Amino acid sequence: DQQVKQNSPSLSVQEGRISILNCDYTNSMFDYFLWYKKYPAEGPTFLISISSIKDKNEDGRFTVFLNKSAKHLSLHIVPSQPGDSAVYFCAANEGAQKLVFGQGTRLTINP
Amino acid sequence: DAGVIQSPRHEVTEMGQEVTLRCKPISGHNSLFWYRQTMMRGLELLIYFNNNVPIDDSGMPEDRFSAKMPNASFSTLKIQPSEPRDSAVYFCASSPRQGVGKLFFGSGTQLSVL
Repeated sequence: DQQVKQNSPSLSVQEGRISILNCDYTNSMFDYFLWYKKYPAEGPTFLISISSIKDKNEDGRFTVFLNKSAKHLSLHIVPSQPGDSAVYFCAANEGAQKLVFGQGTRLTINP
Repeated sequence: DAGVIQSPRHEVTEMGQEVTLRCKPISGHNSLFWYRQTMMRGLELLIYFNNNVPIDDSGMPEDRFSAKMPNASFSTLKIQPSEPRDSAVYFCASSPRQGVGKLFFGSGTQLSVL
């Protein structure tokens, strides 16, 4: 039973364009959402987060949008750069510290 | 700042053997997590500790898996006996406080059970 789902296993975007990664969740009790980025042979690293009381959070080229009614969040990267090529994981907080992760989306930025 | 340290980086073993994965969290962090990454399910939480005490082990697949945290600077995840379906990347992560927080991950252990 996957409570956090990333339905696109991969995404390819041209350098300079916008990358949009999507994530859906089923548990309405989730109150905090995070995106992690993972390079090969490394552990995931925190990228950006958003509280359920907000619908948008921006940090430089990265913006996360939350639509609670649709139980959907998205990560926008603009402009996309080659160094953004990585696997992106969406995660949701289920009380305390228990983070539930999605399956990940592999983003490839083409020059 | 050494980060979360995991060992070994790679482990290849035969079915039925015991496997022990090790983790040293970031000094001062009071929460430690073990995750498993697979293609189908992404990152699955196996177990986590607060102040060396196991809080939630509902993600541990079966009794073949066990985890310990004897002190604030060391944790182990043991699989006995190992099976080919246990092949995955196992990550350890630590966090500096209770409540919502960012996790700091180690580089993972790539486990292959033949």
